[in-house]
Amino acid sequence: AQKVTQAQTEISVVEKEDVTLDCVYETRDTTYYLFWYKQPPSGELVFLIRRNSFDEQNEISGRYSWNFQKSTSSFNFTITASQVVDSAVYFCALSEREGNQFYFGTGTSLTVIP
Amino acid sequence: DTAVSQTPKYLVTQMGNDKSIKCEQNLGHDTMYWYKQDSKKFLKIMFSYNNKELIINETVPNRFSPKSPDKAHLNLHINSLELGDSAVYFCASSRFGQGLVEQYFGPGTRLTVT
Repeated sequence: AQKVTQAQTEISVVEKEDVTLDCVYETRDTTYYLFWYKQPPSGELVFLIRRNSFDEQNEISGRYSWNFQKSTSSFNFTITASQVVDSAVYFCALSEREGNQFYFGTGTSLTVIP
Repeated sequence: DTAVSQTPKYLVTQMGNDKSIKCEQNLGHDTMYWYKQDSKKFLKIMFSYNNKELIINETVPNRFSPKSPDKAHLNLHINSLELGDSAVYFCASSRFGQGLVEQYFGPGTRLTVT
């Protein structure tokens, strides 16, 4: 079973629109971490945020915000007032306390149209 | 200064050849990884080393062999290359602990087997 599900394969928005990327995870651990990574067209993987399972506070960083809800096992990512530079593939990932690896979702390809 | 570096960035070779990809990190991390990203952008972990010891060895052909001469280096050697090995290979590193913290990725090596 997929531990991290990103149901949206591709999303296109017009510049300045808000967009939310969904991430649903599955784990039996009570202690775990969730992550978002960005992969722009240039190909590198850029770490965006880490959230641990005991911290359900939403986080905002500039135009980026993250909504962590344990009740629905979701860790969604919202970009406000999207820009062309936000065009990228975005990956959600999970790591559990028990175990030694990351579980990446399949990614959501975001295209921001000027 | 580059945190995680890989060489080469591009590698084009013929079927049956043997090739190596080198990875170095200067972050002082004790855990390093190799991932394969296919044409659909799916990220799959291949290997993980902690303090020069193998801790994750996913189901990959034994033509792939990682080598960790020290904590800062994790090289990937591939024997008898096949067409299906064409992909982007990412090296990554992180601190190790209960629940993995964020991984920092190298720029990737695009391997093309002809």
